[in-house]
Amino acid sequence: QVRLQESGPGLVKPSETLSLTCSVSGGSISSNYWSWIRQAPGKGLEWIGYIYDSGTTNYNPSLKSRVTISVETSKNQFSLKLTSVTAADTAVYYCAREIYGNNGNSEGFVYWGQGTLVTVSS
Amino acid sequence: SYEVTQPPSVSVSPGQTASITCSGDKLGDKYVCWYQQKPGQSPVLVIYQDTKRPSGISERFSGSSSGNTATLTISGTQAMDEADYYCQAWDSSTDVVFGGGTKLTVL
Repeated sequence: QVRLQESGPGLVKPSETLSLTCSVSGGSISSNYWSWIRQAPGKGLEWIGYIYDSGTTNYNPSLKSRVTISVETSKNQFSLKLTSVTAADTAVYYCAREIYGNNGNSEGFVYWGQGTLVTVSS
Repeated sequence: SYEVTQPPSVSVSPGQTASITCSGDKLGDKYVCWYQQKPGQSPVLVIYQDTKRPSGISERFSGSSSGNTATLTISGTQAMDEADYYCQAWDSSTDVVFGGGTKLTVL
């Protein structure tokens, strides 16, 4: 069973960089799509971006200038960096794995971490 | 950028059928997923590729899509189905896009 666990600081100061790591167990991080998704308090889900295999990335255009997602294959982890944060970046951050079928079509985000709350405040 | 729209809330009586819609330009041409999220929990995939149910998801959940609208239908709604539901699609301009979510209340 694939399990994902987010970790990182729960409090980040405005203008600083938010850094989170997702540890993957029960499966290889290689040859899969790994995403970060966030949810502001009382709000809906917002996709941040994904990394595929060891390097291909794609980001939400609204966040693209501030986001970097990377993978550390040897540790079976992938990470999120979000720069120049403001209070609007306060949210529960989820890491998730998107599954693709043999026909090349997505079968959705099947595996999710429990989420970690990051508050942006001085 | 591409957007999909859901009603903020839907109410249903126990045992009745609940329908939650998701609207977007030519949404029927794209695959749609649906997620259930209960308070304090991570989302759970309940429908993928418009109509398919993942293993372990109740047969009471079904999906359809045509034209500009995708629909999640919950038959024989139970109290345990009370949750927020999100649709999600893919678009070439924004890649992954989520709807704003619908709060399902079982009265």
